[in-house]
Amino acid sequence: EPEVTQTPSHQVTQMGQEVILRCVPISNHLYFYWYRQILGQKVEFLVSFYNNEISEKSEIFDDQFSVERPDGSNFTLKIRSTKLEDSAMYFCASRPPWGGLRATNEKLFFGSGTQLSVL
Amino acid sequence: KNQVEQSPQSLIILEGKNCTLQCNYTVSPFSNLRWYKQDTGRGPVSLTIMTFSENTKSNGRYTATLDADTKQSSLHITASQLSDSASYICVVSRSYNTDKLIFGTGTRLQVFP
Repeated sequence: EPEVTQTPSHQVTQMGQEVILRCVPISNHLYFYWYRQILGQKVEFLVSFYNNEISEKSEIFDDQFSVERPDGSNFTLKIRSTKLEDSAMYFCASRPPWGGLRATNEKLFFGSGTQLSVL
Repeated sequence: KNQVEQSPQSLIILEGKNCTLQCNYTVSPFSNLRWYKQDTGRGPVSLTIMTFSENTKSNGRYTATLDADTKQSSLHITASQLSDSASYICVVSRSYNTDKLIFGTGTRLQVFP
């Protein structure tokens, strides 16, 4: 089965530094998402992206965060100035271009995540 | 407030036994409910997806039920295997114009030989 690929699997950074998390969604998918999971807590929605623009974002996704699809295959999440509380597992997800999350035949495919540790 | 609550938090069973995990939600309006399996250090993998009109859905040894009136769902695992050890997450989608999924905290299942 095709997979969503995320790199790196682990990222350690100093507080205040910029980080870019990379994702390669499944090739025929057009909707892309970033979620995060702080250790021991629920998975939380960050942002959804379609047709080269953000379609929805959560309160967590403030001005320090940005997303980009720089070419036909990559989807990136940038955190401009990391804080200690940004430490979490960040998951990229994608889905095909038909139906929607409200369609029962619709699956959201998640990557294995990038564990970000801010020191 | 839109929330998804799961019980128990954790569960230990012996290989070959059955178990049932519970999910209660207060999400409104409701579109569909999903169960995901998440292995440690991995992304969630979809097991089942149900709308309000579906009472039950199976995927191999996994059977999910949904009662949209009481806003409850369950995931039943039959003849558990060691590979079933994982977190099982209940996820709800709202029905108006949003793609945001609402996740529960998950049930951590451990299957011992």
